Amino acid sequence: QVQLQESGPGLVKPSQTLSLTCTVSGGSISSGSYYWSWIRQPAGKGLEWIGRIYTSGSTNYNPSLKSRVTISVDTSKNQFSLKLSSVTAADTAVYYCAREIGSGYDLFPFDYWGQGTLVTVSS
Amino acid sequence: DIVMTQSPDSLAVSLGERATINCKSSQSVLYSSNNKNYLAWYQQKPGQPPKLLIYWASTRESGVPDRFSGSGSGTDFTLTISSLQAEDVAVYYCQQYYSTPLSFGQGTRLEIK
Repeated sequence: QVQLQESGPGLVKPSQTLSLTCTVSGGSISSGSYYWSWIRQPAGKGLEWIGRIYTSGSTNYNPSLKSRVTISVDTSKNQFSLKLSSVTAADTAVYYCAREIGSGYDLFPFDYWGQGTLVTVSS
Repeated sequence: DIVMTQSPDSLAVSLGERATINCKSSQSVLYSSNNKNYLAWYQQKPGQPPKLLIYWASTRESGVPDRFSGSGSGTDFTLTISSLQAEDVAVYYCQQYYSTPLSFGQGTRLEIK
């Protein structure tokens, strides 16, 4: 059974960089065809896709955040990470990591999600 | 970018009755080469991550009760709960995975009348 777990600081100061890690257990992050995504949800609001990294290391980012986002993978630790720079209060949200299976148009949507971690941007 | 719009924003249905949630995409999510619609439905309960219910617009995820069904093609989709149970109270989201940026509808809150 695949499990995803987010970790990182729950409080980040404005203008600083938010850094989160998602640890994958129950399977290798680098074997098979998977996309590993970050998604966020402000309190009481909807879901916003931030970006993803493929098993090969290629990335896709939401254009609305692209200038501030970096997603990377550490296969030795079975983890992938999110860095979001120059944060403001608008970046306060629950951040989820999630998995898609496949590639190209042979694709299944988010089947496994982490429990989410709340990140608050405040001085 | 594909914009997903759900209706209604909230819905109250009596136990045992049918609940219907609509989702419209700003452009088609049907891939003609395989005739699949890249549209998924999720259920989110308070304090939990979303749970995948339906993918390819109408295929139920393993373990999802058969009272949940999805339909539609192209730009217009529907999630139907045939006989509402108390445990179905949640927020429901549609999502397109046809192209990046991946996008979700704004959510529909389903309550018991």
